[in-house]
Amino acid sequence: DIQMTQSPSSLSASIGDRVTITCQANHHVGNYLNWYQQKPGQAPNLLIYDASRLETGVPSRFSGSGSGTDFTFTISSLQPEDVATYYCQQYDNLVFTFGPGTKVDIK
Amino acid sequence: QVQLQESGPGLVKPSGALSLTCAVSGDSITNNNWWSWVRLPPGKGLEWIGEIHHTGYTNYNPSLSGRVSISVDKSKNQFSLKVTSLTAADTAVYYCARVKRVIQGFDFWGQGTLVTVSS
Repeated sequence: DIQMTQSPSSLSASIGDRVTITCQANHHVGNYLNWYQQKPGQAPNLLIYDASRLETGVPSRFSGSGSGTDFTFTISSLQPEDVATYYCQQYDNLVFTFGPGTKVDIK
Repeated sequence: QVQLQESGPGLVKPSGALSLTCAVSGDSITNNNWWSWVRLPPGKGLEWIGEIHHTGYTNYNPSLSGRVSISVDKSKNQFSLKVTSLTAADTAVYYCARVKRVIQGFDFWGQGTLVTVSS
């Protein structure tokens, strides 16, 4: 089974800061790596797909990179509305797996 | 715009079963899509439960396999989840979602429904 790790598990940053989250898989997952934002009390929202492609309507301050087993998610300039938990997600061998999540808040 | 709406009991008893339904609008469940259930236990992360195609093909999370079944009702444009042998660990917000196969991810989600397992 593919296991996903994310780091950090939580972070606090100031408005305008650059925020980076990493996601690592214990096996190669190709480019089937997606990132979601989940705000409290809301459903997850797809932000990045295929590791680096921005979903339609998502602000350009969000970006993703990586391939194979190591992936990075970046918010170039943190905004108040970005307070949320962020999850990476992969698909392999008929199973979807989410990372444990990274909680982002404002310092 | 595709919309999904979960419905079902909010409180179920340990050792019992939970049944939830997801009503789909803005898309036909018989289009070539897969439909999934995902849950969020309190204080934990997202967990994929399983998926179904309108032809009846299903895939389940191996960690839950044996306790989970997903079915589809094409006449009502909805799909359903059943989880048996419940424990407190099954307490969670349950979401239904549409699978976007080309990215192997989820592009539309329901708002979620809280199910509490308690006597």
